[in-house]
Amino acid sequence: DTAVSQTPKYLVTQMGNDKSIKCEQNLGHDTMYWYKQDSKKFLKIMFSYNNKELIINETVPNRFSPKSPDKAHLNLHINSLELGDSAVYFCASSQTGVGEQYFGPGTRLTVT
Amino acid sequence: GEDVEQSLFLSVREGDSSVINCTYTDSSSTYLYWYKQEPGAGLQLLTYIFSNMDMKQDQRLTVLLNKKDKHLSLRIADTQTGDSAIYFCAAILSSGGYNKLIFGAGTRLAVHP
Repeated sequence: DTAVSQTPKYLVTQMGNDKSIKCEQNLGHDTMYWYKQDSKKFLKIMFSYNNKELIINETVPNRFSPKSPDKAHLNLHINSLELGDSAVYFCASSQTGVGEQYFGPGTRLTVT
Repeated sequence: GEDVEQSLFLSVREGDSSVINCTYTDSSSTYLYWYKQEPGAGLQLLTYIFSNMDMKQDQRLTVLLNKKDKHLSLRIADTQTGDSAIYFCAAILSSGGYNKLIFGAGTRLAVHP
């Protein structure tokens, strides 16, 4: 009965590779988010989708491409990985217009 | 834009009260939130307060909001070792008709015996 789930939990890869992180929520929410948490625990929003439509796109390199096949799923694809992409990536969801966001357990990405 | 600031560390003795402070800049933030992050885990919503309230109590948690000073605090009564975690303050910023959360840097609470 997990509310927001992410796979994989850990991802170790080399520079230059392409990788994807998947997120699913079973809360019936309309809005989903991707956040990046750096090594100092600073949390910053990257993208937000509402009913499969991109609504928030912060200043994120083009190498990051979110995709929402339906409102319960939001995936994050990263091309040409760089060392600076190493972080924990969190997916979250909320009901439209309501601020309470529910977070997934995070995906720790390590680029070597 | 919105800026949210918190002190980075707080150390308390078990059984004492903890008070974590937060300031924000955008007075139009309608909701303010407190999240808890335990090691290796995601963020867990603890509580929130609507901007027209000045206090909210939920068991051991008390949230105080001073809207004039744009100051938010979280008080944890009878702090336990299980309360050791990072606590994030977050404010809502409306952007293009949608809401996004702006987080503070997090306050690391250490509870010692």
